[in-house]
Amino acid sequence: AQSVTQLGSHVSVSEGALVLLRCNYSSSVPPYLFWYVQYPNQGLQLLLKYTSAATLVKGINGFEAEFKKSETSFHLTKPSAHMSDAAEYFCAVSRLGTAAGNKLTFGGGTRVLVKP
Amino acid sequence: EPEVTQTPSHQVTQMGQEVILRCVPISNHLYFYWYRQILGQKVEFLVSFYNNEISEKSEIFDDQFSVERPDGSNFTLKIRSTKLEDSAMYFCASSGGQGSQPQHFGDGTRLSIL
Repeated sequence: AQSVTQLGSHVSVSEGALVLLRCNYSSSVPPYLFWYVQYPNQGLQLLLKYTSAATLVKGINGFEAEFKKSETSFHLTKPSAHMSDAAEYFCAVSRLGTAAGNKLTFGGGTRVLVKP
Repeated sequence: EPEVTQTPSHQVTQMGQEVILRCVPISNHLYFYWYRQILGQKVEFLVSFYNNEISEKSEIFDDQFSVERPDGSNFTLKIRSTKLEDSAMYFCASSGGQGSQPQHFGDGTRLSIL
């Protein structure tokens, strides 16, 4: 079974400050890891994905995440927060299993508030 | 950029009624999914669909739920007799492949059961 834990359901950052969103996973086999962002009244938009090619993954909107196998973590960062980063962020894990397709298991989400 | 579209955006239904949520996945995608998010809770997997059959389903996806791909473009989720606890945001997703292929999500249908 796989699971995802996101530490902190709410994070408040000042504009221009570092954004750090934490994600820890558990998976019995090497995972695929994803970060999605959800803006109000919208669906989930892919920010970035880890697929074992490189441990540091760059995504859209200046976000990046680092896969650390020893810590079973995939934390999301952005050096300088922008007001438009205010949204909810979801970490998700999947694995290639025996069933066709691969279900995503999501963390609880972290809502980011950006203060001017 | 191609996108997944869902209709309606909001559905209000009386308890016990049948409801059909509709999705148009990205046209060249082969794998289709439904997820739901009850207010204040995690996004949960319901079902995956490939090659015109269910490939995996969660324990939530009981006999009250069914999925169908009636034609080459639509993918529907039917809830036969809705319950109050079915109130949630339902997301459709599609992907072009397995494994590392990301799933692309629609904007969701908010289902409210009265």
